Amino acid sequence: DAGVIQSPRHEVTEMGQEVTLRCKPISGHDYLFWYRQTMMRGLELLIYFNNNVPIDDSGMPEDRFSAKMPNASFSTLKIQPSEPRDSAVYFCASSFKRNTGELFFGEGSRLTVL
Amino acid sequence: GQSLEQPSEVTAVEGAIVQINCTYQTSGFYGLSWYQQHDGGAPTFLSYNALDGLEETGRFSSFLSRSDSYGYLLLQELQMKDSASYFCAVSNQAGTALIFGKGTTLSVSS
Repeated sequence: DAGVIQSPRHEVTEMGQEVTLRCKPISGHDYLFWYRQTMMRGLELLIYFNNNVPIDDSGMPEDRFSAKMPNASFSTLKIQPSEPRDSAVYFCASSFKRNTGELFFGEGSRLTVL
Repeated sequence: GQSLEQPSEVTAVEGAIVQINCTYQTSGFYGLSWYQQHDGGAPTFLSYNALDGLEETGRFSSFLSRSDSYGYLLLQELQMKDSASYFCAVSNQAGTALIFGKGTTLSVSS
């Protein structure tokens, strides 16, 4: 299995630009998660989906952030407009059932906003 | 809400045993997970405890006490490659998404 695939791996952009991060979960996994990691705040849950439906987006920092999952094999996290404080590593993860405690993470997208 | 506490740093030498503790406060507890993350890499799953007691997987063991809201990860026969960050995590109320602690940086020296 190819694992969770994220793109781009690195993104450098200027403040005010739109950023789109992409994720392909493991085939057959029903849950997809977006996390953000920074030194100050650690790994934060932003939003997660079950069967393509957003279940909990309470971790999305503000309206500049949006996430979609149009089908079972693709999700996007969009930031518009981006700000320097959005600089972080964004991880996508997937899992196939509840209560296993096991998430499969992608390699992350490192975002730098200048 | 949920909160987790774990030490920020631990140091040890090769061949030693180290224990990383985690205490948590949560509404609706399902289980405690442990993850390893090497610099710049993806977090990878190590273990999951839903019931009290010790779970052993090779050199790594994980323990849970639900009554004490406490768990630990035990790493034995430490190797240099074990130098990484270790995170404890609890499931959210739906038992799906994980809420992570801030992580413990383990440094193993020769």
